[in-house]
Amino acid sequence: GAVVSQHPSWVICKSGTSVKIECRSLDFQATTMFWYRQFPKQSLMLMATSNEGSKATYEQGVEKDKFLINHASLTLSTLTVTSAHPEDSSFYICSASLTMNTEAFFGQGTRLTVV
Amino acid sequence: AQTVTQSQPEMSVQEAETVTLSCTYDTSESDYYLFWYKQPPSRQMILVIRQEAYKQQNATENRFSVNFQKAAKSFSLKISDSQLGDAAMYFCAFRGGGATNKLIFGTGTLLAVQP
Repeated sequence: GAVVSQHPSWVICKSGTSVKIECRSLDFQATTMFWYRQFPKQSLMLMATSNEGSKATYEQGVEKDKFLINHASLTLSTLTVTSAHPEDSSFYICSASLTMNTEAFFGQGTRLTVV
Repeated sequence: AQTVTQSQPEMSVQEAETVTLSCTYDTSESDYYLFWYKQPPSRQMILVIRQEAYKQQNATENRFSVNFQKAAKSFSLKISDSQLGDAAMYFCAFRGGGATNKLIFGTGTLLAVQP
């Protein structure tokens, strides 16, 4: 199957700083990528849909100024957590599909810890 | 809005035995896709099986099969000849047939496999 790579796998940052997480489709082009957040022992919660060349679509309750998404190319989407707080600590996962009707491939996730 | 419900937070099965994980969903769409994903301790999401709603035949992938009941909006996963490596969190997911490719996940079932 197609490969989606997420970087970094884990990151620790201080409160008030910003952290950028990258999601790359390594062997295919993805016009759409998705960002999820997962708390311990809970399900994946969709945060936003990242569209190449246009603004991301955020789910209700997700602060777009807090979680900045940029999808500047067909193989890269980035999620920047701005002015991070301890409550932003979580596991963030991205996914991408080859086309609208094929399965989603997931990155390995990023564990963010804000201290 | 679509919802996905997994009523079994935890399940346990003996090695080599069969176990069934339950999933129900709610949607007004007639064209959609259903998936089962596995999330092992590494937290990498792995596609187990998918089912297109327009197909009456239940999907099968080696030891994994589904019982898709469209009228009842039920989509259970059967794991035959359970192996220790099957131990993981299993998520049922729904994707509509429209222009969006986003997945709606259930709350998950943690499967333990006893040797």
